[in-house]
Amino acid sequence: DAGVIQSPRHEVTEMGQEVTLRCKPISGHDYLFWYRQTMMRGLELLIYFNNNVPIDDSGMPEDRFSAKMPNASFSTLKIQPSEPRDSAVYFCASSFGNSYNSPLHFGNGTRLTVT
Amino acid sequence: AQSVSQHNHHVILSEAASLELGCNYSYGGTVNLFWYVQYPGQHLQLLLKYFSGDPLVKGIKGFEAEFIKSKFSFNLRKPSVQWSDTAEYFCAVNSGGNTGKLIFGQGTTLQVKP
Repeated sequence: DAGVIQSPRHEVTEMGQEVTLRCKPISGHDYLFWYRQTMMRGLELLIYFNNNVPIDDSGMPEDRFSAKMPNASFSTLKIQPSEPRDSAVYFCASSFGNSYNSPLHFGNGTRLTVT
Repeated sequence: AQSVSQHNHHVILSEAASLELGCNYSYGGTVNLFWYVQYPGQHLQLLLKYFSGDPLVKGIKGFEAEFIKSKFSFNLRKPSVQWSDTAEYFCAVNSGGNTGKLIFGQGTTLQVKP
């Protein structure tokens, strides 16, 4: 099992540019989560999906952020336009069943720097 | 709204010292509690979890945590830390409902000096 795979590992972009982060969950997992980690706010849940359907996007900071899960093996988090305050590490995680019964498996994260 | 508070943001210990990291949560109902660890340059990994039963939970690498319902706490402990325990530790709570939504604390950075 390759684990949760995120790409790219690092992304440096200029303010105003579109950024797309990608995630491949563990095969068979039916929950997918996007988290953002910053020094100031720690780990924040942005959005999560169950069976490819967004369940709770209340953590998405604003309309510049959008997430999709077109199929069970792929999800994207898009920021358009990007701003310097979006600089953070973005983690994708997946689980089989909700976290009540099974732990989250995290990817290695994408470190985003917006200049 | 649920929240998780970790009191210690940065802890520095010498090897063989005992460790206790505090975690408090705010939620009045049934909760499931977790500790995750993030070693330098790596992703978060589950250290231990509490769902029900014995409030003293043992995890990997000699870590344990005690759920004290009356204090809304789930503190992490280890009798004798090693240099390899240097990492960031996150407490997390799930409300126990079928929500799949895990709320994390701010994290505690542990630095163990050899």
